[in-house]
Amino acid sequence: GAVVSQHPSRVICKSGTSVKIECRSLDFQATTMFWYRQFPKQSLMLMATSNEGSKATYEQGVEKDKFLINHASLTLSTLTVTSAHPEDSSFYICSASIQGNSPLHFGNGTRLTVT
Amino acid sequence: AQSVSQHNHHVILSEAASLELGCNYSYGGTVNLFWYVQYPGQHLQLLLKYFSGDPLVKGIKGFEAEFIKSKFSFNLRKPSVQWSDTAEYFCAVTVYNQGGKLIFGQGTELSVKP
Repeated sequence: GAVVSQHPSRVICKSGTSVKIECRSLDFQATTMFWYRQFPKQSLMLMATSNEGSKATYEQGVEKDKFLINHASLTLSTLTVTSAHPEDSSFYICSASIQGNSPLHFGNGTRLTVT
Repeated sequence: AQSVSQHNHHVILSEAASLELGCNYSYGGTVNLFWYVQYPGQHLQLLLKYFSGDPLVKGIKGFEAEFIKSKFSFNLRKPSVQWSDTAEYFCAVTVYNQGGKLIFGQGTELSVKP
């Protein structure tokens, strides 16, 4: 079945540094990928929609200058958390869909801890 | 804006008990509906989905869900739960032709006592 790979699975960084998270669709092309954030014991909140070859669409309240998204190819989207702060510590999950309305396939997520 | 509401935050059941988790959404147009499960320490997995046709949908591991359009509901059911069903369950909706953008409910934590 379709597989979405996310890397790294866990990262610890110091406050003020930037962290890049990669999301790859391994056996299919994804023109659209989605980035979610999940706080402990809470649901997934959509952060942005990543579109191959164009700018990402951010949800209300998500700072586009802080969470940089690049979707340079049909199999790779990256999320860069810039100037990370402890409140950015969270679980970040990407997902992709083979076709517009087909079920999303999720990556395993990235646990970000900012110290 | 579309929203998804799950009524139960935490459900505790004994093994063999029947399960029903509520899910309501707010959108008047065509929607696709999903239930995902997240086992402790694992990523999200699709349990079942509804796109069209028979409103009673059967998924993996003995789960089923019924789409009731008039009630904007998509409740998840299982006749007899097992300890291994202990997990977080998320209802989600996509609006037709919005490219697969999923909106999740708050999630329901299910604890099954052996």
